[in-house]
Amino acid sequence: AQSVTQPDIHITVSEGASLELRCNYSYGATPYLFWYVQSPGQGLQLLLKYFSGDTLVQGIKGFEAEFKRSQSSFNLRKPSVHWSDAAEYFCAVGSQAGNMLTFGGGTRLMVKP
Amino acid sequence: ETGVTQSPTHLIKTRGQQVTLRCSSQSGHNTVSWYQQALGQGPQFIFQYYREEENGRGNFPPRFSGLQFPNYSSELNVNALELDDSALYLCASSSSQQVNYGYTFGSGTRLTVV
Repeated sequence: AQSVTQPDIHITVSEGASLELRCNYSYGATPYLFWYVQSPGQGLQLLLKYFSGDTLVQGIKGFEAEFKRSQSSFNLRKPSVHWSDAAEYFCAVGSQAGNMLTFGGGTRLMVKP
Repeated sequence: ETGVTQSPTHLIKTRGQQVTLRCSSQSGHNTVSWYQQALGQGPQFIFQYYREEENGRGNFPPRFSGLQFPNYSSELNVNALELDDSALYLCASSSSQQVNYGYTFGSGTRLTVV
């Protein structure tokens, strides 16, 4: 069965600092990997996705993620965090059947002024 | 184009009651998936509807059921509500049943069972 682990429940960074959110997955084949962001009271917005090809993928809002098969990781990064980035971030893996997403538990990002 | 609309946004129900949640999919989308997000957790897949047929189900009991209509809107019904059903219920629509086509999520319905 597929699974996703986000080891950090909460992360606090200063505005302007760099950010890395960790994601580890378990999946038997080449995974479909996603990062979503959820602001309070809102649904999920897709930041970026990886299916194949270049292991460094660019997303919206200046985010990027790197797929590392050897480490079963898909960490999300941003070089300079803005106060508006404060939200909950979810990593997800797509199923072999292709019809469902398995999400990690999320990482809540707080940004200090 | 309009996004995914869910109604109601909030509701409170009593244990043992039944509830129906509604979702209008984004224009051009024929697939709707439902997820349950308990407080402090990631969303969990309930089921998916593709062209009015159930197309996959997560680890949820039969008292969770759904429908998809010819206009591709969808309902999630939960019978015999339990306290643990309290959660944010998210609807996502897409143009295909496969995740790689991308999902558009609604803002969710917050259900509280007392």
